[in-house]
Amino acid sequence: ETGVTQTPRHLVMGMTNKKSLKCEQHLGHNAMYWYKQSAKKPLELMFVYNFKEQTENNSVPSRFSPECPNSSHLFLHLHTLQPEDSALYLCASSQLTSGGLGEQFFGPGTRLTVL
Amino acid sequence: DAKTTQPPSMDCAEGRAANLPCNHSTISGNEYVYWYRQIHSQGPQYIIHGLKNNETNEMASLIITEDRKSSTLILPHATLRDTAVYYCIVRAPSSGGSNYKLTFGKGTLLTVNP
Repeated sequence: ETGVTQTPRHLVMGMTNKKSLKCEQHLGHNAMYWYKQSAKKPLELMFVYNFKEQTENNSVPSRFSPECPNSSHLFLHLHTLQPEDSALYLCASSQLTSGGLGEQFFGPGTRLTVL
Repeated sequence: DAKTTQPPSMDCAEGRAANLPCNHSTISGNEYVYWYRQIHSQGPQYIIHGLKNNETNEMASLIITEDRKSSTLILPHATLRDTAVYYCIVRAPSSGGSNYKLTFGKGTLLTVNP
């Protein structure tokens, strides 16, 4: 595997279900990100992890719970979601250095539908 | 980070050059111009970035005006597979280990026609 991978690619869940999205980066990067893209809206940054530490939470509801066990893996745990949470969830990674530009590499995304 | 303004949509004939404009009139001296694109329902893909000078890589060219208030992304020979939403983003380098944030706008939907 190369680049950034995400599983599953598609997920349908009920509002009472608990599910997890997985992201893995094979680029040796030290930062990982979760973005949400709702229909006809710009990408919204949800969470940022730098060296496994969460450094940003953009006012994301607690029904979304991220986990970063190591610098290569990132999870997004989902529980009691709402239909309006249906969206494309994108993971990205980058190499952060002081003064660096940290180009982000994105995965293919997970298309989530909440019924 | 400075805001950018892009036209919502553009059309281009296959094989011709696609020129995508971006205005960033409030750009600061240390802010770079980035371009990403997103093919339908896929993750965004990095294209190119620049500070002052024009840049070229295997995908595209980036022309930045002398006052840095606007730029143009050029796809020299557009193909049908270049149909995508193109995002122009302005940001400064990370500092002291601060995170690198990308703020995506609505971008320009480029449609390449046969």
